[in-house]
Amino acid sequence: AQRVTQPEKLLSVFKGAPVELKCNYSYSGSPELFWYVQYSRQRLQLLLRHISRESIKGFTADLNKGETSFHLKKPFAQEEDSAMYYCALSGLTGGGNKLTFGTGTQLKVEL
Amino acid sequence: GAGVSQSPRYKVAKRGQDVALRCDPISGHVSLFWYQQALGQGPEFLTYFQNEAQLDKSGLPSDRFFAERPEGSVSTLKIQRTQQEDSAVYLCASSPPGIPYNSPLHFGNGTRLTVT
Repeated sequence: AQRVTQPEKLLSVFKGAPVELKCNYSYSGSPELFWYVQYSRQRLQLLLRHISRESIKGFTADLNKGETSFHLKKPFAQEEDSAMYYCALSGLTGGGNKLTFGTGTQLKVEL
Repeated sequence: GAGVSQSPRYKVAKRGQDVALRCDPISGHVSLFWYQQALGQGPEFLTYFQNEAQLDKSGLPSDRFFAERPEGSVSTLKIQRTQQEDSAVYLCASSPPGIPYNSPLHFGNGTRLTVT
């Protein structure tokens, strides 16, 4: 079975401080991992995916298969980063991009 | 053009009523998904369509839930005899053609269903 764990419901940091949103997963095969973000009053949208190995809005995430983790990091938090962040896992099944989401972490960046 | 469109944005139903939630995906997106998001939880998969074919309905919680996409574009999620535990935000998402397991999902704003 697929499972995604985000241990923190709320993470509060000061502007300019480093951010790390934790994500651990459980999956027997080779997973595809994503981070989705939901800003206030906006729809859920893709932030980044591990297969692209990209940095979006200063955020990066490295897949660590040994620790089954996909933590989201940013060296210097900005006020506009305040949002709800969801880690998601897609298994290689015939069911399209059937994502399993974590419960989310609310990031609050304080001035 | 516009993104994924869902209607209504809010729906209040009395327990036992039937409801129908509509999703209009992005033009050209063959894959369409329905998710249910309870308060304080992440979205949970309900069902998946590729064009008009419903390829996976393993997440539908009971036979009161039914989804269709007859012409491969607009989709409707119907809930019969609503119960209080059906109260949630129902999200629709679509994705473009491509390698399905890493195509990004484009979400709608959701329909917030409250069953009283």
